[in-house]
Amino acid sequence: AQTVTQSQPEMSVQEAETVTLSCTYDTSESDYYLFWYKQPPSRQMILVIRQEAYKQQNATENRFSVNFQKAAKSFSLKISDSQLGDAAMYFCAYRRGLNRDDKIIFGKGTRLHILP
Amino acid sequence: ETGVTQSPTHLIKTRGQQVTLRCSSQSGHNTVSWYQQALGQGPQFIFQYYREEENGRGNFPPRFSGLQFPNYSSELNVNALELDDSALYLCASSFSLGSSYEQYFGPGTRLTVT
Repeated sequence: AQTVTQSQPEMSVQEAETVTLSCTYDTSESDYYLFWYKQPPSRQMILVIRQEAYKQQNATENRFSVNFQKAAKSFSLKISDSQLGDAAMYFCAYRRGLNRDDKIIFGKGTRLHILP
Repeated sequence: ETGVTQSPTHLIKTRGQQVTLRCSSQSGHNTVSWYQQALGQGPQFIFQYYREEENGRGNFPPRFSGLQFPNYSSELNVNALELDDSALYLCASSFSLGSSYEQYFGPGTRLTVT
């Protein structure tokens, strides 16, 4: 069975600084997707960034980038120039590729605090 | 384009009762998934519907059931409510079946069972 582990329940970062959230996963599949979702107090789960396992290049979306280490099964999220609006729960997630049962498996989350 | 909506926003029920939660998919989406998010946890997959048929199910008992309608809106029904059913219930819709399609989440329904 696939699992996703986030070992940092909470993190804090000063506004405008850089922070890295960690995630490891376990799977025997070769084709899959990895995600970082943001869940602010409004509860709506928002996709931050997505990485296809077959792509060696790390995904980037503006201030958000990932460090995808496939052999180590590690998938960290770096947030640069942190802003107050970045404060939220962040979930690392996994999804098998090319499969009819395309459920998303989530980690337990990391609560990110932004210090003004 | 209308996003995913869910109703009601909050709900309080008594143990043993039954509850129905509703989800309206994003326009053009024919696939909907339901997740349960207990307090302090990540969401857990309940089941998925594709074109009105159940496509996959997580580790939830049969008292959790669902429906998808011809307009692709969906319901989650929970019978014989237990205290542990207290959670945020999220639905997510996608354009079609397949992991290449992004799932768009609704704001959730907070269910409290007393």
